[in-house]
Amino acid sequence: AQTVTQSQPEMSVQEAETVTLSCTYDTSENNYYLFWYKQPPSRQMILVIRQEAYKQQNATENRFSVNFQKAAKSFSLKISDSQLGDTAMYFCAFMKHGTVKGTYKYIFGTGTRLKVLA
Amino acid sequence: DSGVTQTPKHLITATGQRVTLRCSPRSGDLSVYWYQQSLDQGLQFLIQYYNGEERAKGNILERFSAQQFPDLHSELNLSSLELGDSALYFCASSVGDRVEVGEAFFGQGTRLTVV
Repeated sequence: AQTVTQSQPEMSVQEAETVTLSCTYDTSENNYYLFWYKQPPSRQMILVIRQEAYKQQNATENRFSVNFQKAAKSFSLKISDSQLGDTAMYFCAFMKHGTVKGTYKYIFGTGTRLKVLA
Repeated sequence: DSGVTQTPKHLITATGQRVTLRCSPRSGDLSVYWYQQSLDQGLQFLIQYYNGEERAKGNILERFSAQQFPDLHSELNLSSLELGDSALYFCASSVGDRVEVGEAFFGQGTRLTVV
């Protein structure tokens, strides 16, 4: 069975600094996707960044980038130039295709609560 | 705005009661997923429907059930409610048949409080 582990329940970072959130996962699959979702106090779930496992290049979205280490099954999120609006819960998620065409299975970690300090 | 609509946003009910949560997926999305988030814990997958049929089941209690209707909206029914069922319930949708998309769009959730 697949598992996703986020070992940092809470983190804080000074505004404008850089912070890295860790995520490890366990799977025997070769084709899968990894995501980071952000859940601000508004509680909405917002996709931050995604990575296809078959791509070696690390995904980047503006101030957000990942360090994807497939062999080590590690998928960390780096936030550069942290802003107060980055304060949120961050979830790492693993997705693979289901056994039935057109279906997907998502597994989420327990989340890391990030607080950006002024 | 993710395009996924969940109603109601808040729900307060007593133990032993039954409630129905509703979800309208994004236009064109065929898959609907239900998740439970309790006490700042991670999202627990409950169940997935694809084009009206149940496709995957996670940690869903027997007191809970769901369905997806022909217009693709979905309802999650929670019965014989217990205090521990108090949680944030999320609905998400995805296209389901485009492998390159690979992402789910979440609604804003329904906050259920059982008193």
